[in-house]
Amino acid sequence: TQLLEQSPQFLSIQEGENLTVYCNSSSVFSSLQWYRQEPGEGPVLLVTVVTGGEVKKLKRLTFQFGDARKDSSLHITAAQPGDTGLYLCAGPNDYKLSFGAGTTVTVRA
Amino acid sequence: EAGVAQSPRYKIIEKRQSVAFWCNPISGHATLYWYQQILGQGPKLLIQFQNNGVVDDSQLPKDRFSAERLKGVDSTLKIQPAKLEDSAVYLCASSLGVSHRLEAFFGQGTRLTVV
Repeated sequence: TQLLEQSPQFLSIQEGENLTVYCNSSSVFSSLQWYRQEPGEGPVLLVTVVTGGEVKKLKRLTFQFGDARKDSSLHITAAQPGDTGLYLCAGPNDYKLSFGAGTTVTVRA
Repeated sequence: EAGVAQSPRYKIIEKRQSVAFWCNPISGHATLYWYQQILGQGPKLLIQFQNNGVVDDSQLPKDRFSAERLKGVDSTLKIQPAKLEDSAVYLCASSLGVSHRLEAFFGQGTRLTVV
């Protein structure tokens, strides 16, 4: 059983559409991180959310941390082909960094 | 600032052979991780070091996998003997430490194929 559950597993959309990816847990996290991984590369940290209810924006990406600090979402506005990749959420648990299974996002031109 | 360095990038071995991977973390990073990633899945933590001590190795198959981090800097991960199911990408990452929320910086990974 994954500590962090991500949904959906796969997402394929047309350029210009919006999308939302979810990360859920039954555990409370002190912080959650979002990474993007492109084929053949290691994951790259996008953002860390720390405070319950926090919203962070990174250009067309909006990240939200749930009030209870058990869930997070990533929303992409007007997706572009360059947004294609594996989106991973991760969080510290007992001083270990654990990852969700990821959402594979494909943006078609 | 130099990133996390890993070598080799690719390795193909036969089952029952041994293999070793090397990782040089970002300078000053106390925490070092080794993850195993099956294609299309999230990284699975194999072992986590804090300086040269082990924080967690609960998912490391200790009958065949070993890892060390001498002097709290570089690290090596070894598999002996390899099995077909060990085919995966092995990612090394580092972070400043527990007080910095474990934000990880990853190397490019080593793609291992066991035939």
